[in-house]
Amino acid sequence: SQQGEEDPQALSIQEGENATMNCSYKTSINNLQWYRQNSGRGLVHLILIRSNEREKHSGRLRVTLDTSKKSSSLLITASRAADTASYFCVHHQGGSEKLVFGKGTKLTVNP
Amino acid sequence: DSGVTQTPKHLITATGQRVTLRCSPRSGDLSVYWYQQSLDQGLQFLIQYYNGEERAKGNILERFSAQQFPDLHSELNLSSLELGDSALYFCASSPSQAGGNEQFFGPGTRLTVL
Repeated sequence: SQQGEEDPQALSIQEGENATMNCSYKTSINNLQWYRQNSGRGLVHLILIRSNEREKHSGRLRVTLDTSKKSSSLLITASRAADTASYFCVHHQGGSEKLVFGKGTKLTVNP
Repeated sequence: DSGVTQTPKHLITATGQRVTLRCSPRSGDLSVYWYQQSLDQGLQFLIQYYNGEERAKGNILERFSAQQFPDLHSELNLSSLELGDSALYFCASSPSQAGGNEQFFGPGTRLTVL
């Protein structure tokens, strides 16, 4: 399978703490994206990092990409209860139009 | 609100039946993507259309077909339904044909096959 893998599968933290999610993939990529999905709803795009970038910030989000290790991480700082959702690492497979989704990390932020 | 609409929101049907799911992309977006999300398989890319033409194919079963119409809305047809086809079906759209760019997801259609 060329599916990515997120780690951990589930994460429970207190409001105000930082949450870190990791992702690994198996093929060469053009870019990697992170999406959020609230329970049973559509996915929302968070951030895209290109294969020639190492780190990117957007508000309370920080994404890193290590193409040599085929891994990425998403850091959410100062988490809020509203951040409770599943987070998916999505990579664009090189030479293909296909987006490959991982199984997601289910984040619970307790108030 | 992503600007992508999907109908119906819920669909309950029986095995062996055929259903049609509809998607209207964001205004101006030429690409439409279909995804299936189930508990055991996760999110799977099914198929992409760009400006009426099939652009990329993923794990789409032969019992499933899709098309994109001149007004850019798309339909996903699922036939000879099986229990295992019960899932959330998402449509997404983007302005370009390159699948690696940001995609805007609709709210999904929840299909239950009894």
